[in-house]
Amino acid sequence: GAVVSQHPSRVICKSGTSVKIECRSLDFQATTMFWYRQFPKKSLMLMATSNEGSKATYEQGVEKDKFLINHASLTLSTLTVTSAHPEDSSFYICSARQGASTEAFFGQGTRLTVV
Amino acid sequence: AQSVTQPDIHITVSEGASLELRCNYSYGATPYLFWYVQSPGQGLQLLLKYFSGDTLVQGIKGFEAEFKRSQSSFNLRKPSVHWSDAAEYFCAVTIQGAQKLVFGQGTRLTINP
Repeated sequence: GAVVSQHPSRVICKSGTSVKIECRSLDFQATTMFWYRQFPKKSLMLMATSNEGSKATYEQGVEKDKFLINHASLTLSTLTVTSAHPEDSSFYICSARQGASTEAFFGQGTRLTVV
Repeated sequence: AQSVTQPDIHITVSEGASLELRCNYSYGATPYLFWYVQSPGQGLQLLLKYFSGDTLVQGIKGFEAEFKRSQSSFNLRKPSVHWSDAAEYFCAVTIQGAQKLVFGQGTRLTINP
């Protein structure tokens, strides 16, 4: 099956710094990528949807200036958490989809801890 | 509004026992349905999906699910669970042409030895 690689799997950063998370589709062209946030023992909350070459569409309540999403190529999307604070600590998961396919494939997730 | 409900937050079964995880959806159009499994600290792995055709679908790891339109349900089943099945299970729904998946709240499965 299609593989989506997310990096890093874990990151610890200091409050006020920025951290970048990468999401790569290894064997298919990801025309659409999705970024989710998952709180402990909770479901996935969609943060934004990005189509290659276009600006991301953010869900209501998600700060676009804080969570910068770039989808400049068909195999890579990045999520940058700017000026991170402890409340941004969470598990972030990306998924990717090719063309009009309804099925999306998920990365392994990134555990972000802001200290 | 479109929604997905997994009524059971936590289920505990004994190893070797049968399992059924419930999923109900509320959608105006014909849904595309998915079940995912998540181990602690990991991403999501697709167990099975239903788009059309036979309403009983087979997935990986011995799981199956049945789409019942009249009940707006897509319950996940396994005849005999293994200790390695302990994980979080998510039901998700989308419709043709939609961009995003809508997830249920998840059901945490614990296996007793």
